[in-house]
Amino acid sequence: AQSVSQHNHHVILSEAASLELGCNYSYGGTVNLFWYVQYPGQHLQLLLKYFSGDPLVKGIKGFEAEFIKSKFSFNLRKPSVQWSDTAEYFCAVNAKNAGNMLTFGGGTRLMVKP
Amino acid sequence: DAGVIQSPRHEVTEMGQEVTLRCKPISGHDYLFWYRQTMMRGLELLIYFNNNVPIDDSGMPEDRFSAKMPNASFSTLKIQPSEPRDSAVYFCASSLGGSWGEQYFGPGTRLTVT
Repeated sequence: AQSVSQHNHHVILSEAASLELGCNYSYGGTVNLFWYVQYPGQHLQLLLKYFSGDPLVKGIKGFEAEFIKSKFSFNLRKPSVQWSDTAEYFCAVNAKNAGNMLTFGGGTRLMVKP
Repeated sequence: DAGVIQSPRHEVTEMGQEVTLRCKPISGHDYLFWYRQTMMRGLELLIYFNNNVPIDDSGMPEDRFSAKMPNASFSTLKIQPSEPRDSAVYFCASSLGGSWGEQYFGPGTRLTVT
């Protein structure tokens, strides 16, 4: 079975700092990869996704993620964070033999100080 | 589209009472997922359906939990009897077959069992 690890549980940054959140998965086959964001008190929303093609994908609000197959990683980045990016971020993996089921990482809580 | 609809948004009940949470998936979606989110355990998949049929209920914590999907536009998650440790936010998500895992989440039901 696949698993997803997000090594940073809590991250605190100042506004304008650059962000990189790590995500590693364990699964030997083909995967689809997602980042979801959960703003305080809200539900999970899709931030970006990777199915195939260019391993550098761009999402909403200036976020991007890079799929590195050899490292089983899908790290999330943003060059300059804003206070409004304060949220919890979840990496998720869909294995091609798992239907539409997602395996989520444990989440990373990001706090951006104004 | 109205998105995934959940009701109630908040539920406060006493220990031992029956609780029923409701979900209406996005029209046309053939996958439906129930998740539970707590501070201690993060986001947990409880059960998911495909074409109204339960596919994997291995995440359902105990026999006190049951879920049904009588038709393509409605699902319920029932807890009977409820216990204080069931307090959590319960999310429903739906997905379209062939979308490789992309799920759309509802606003959640915050359950408090006293």
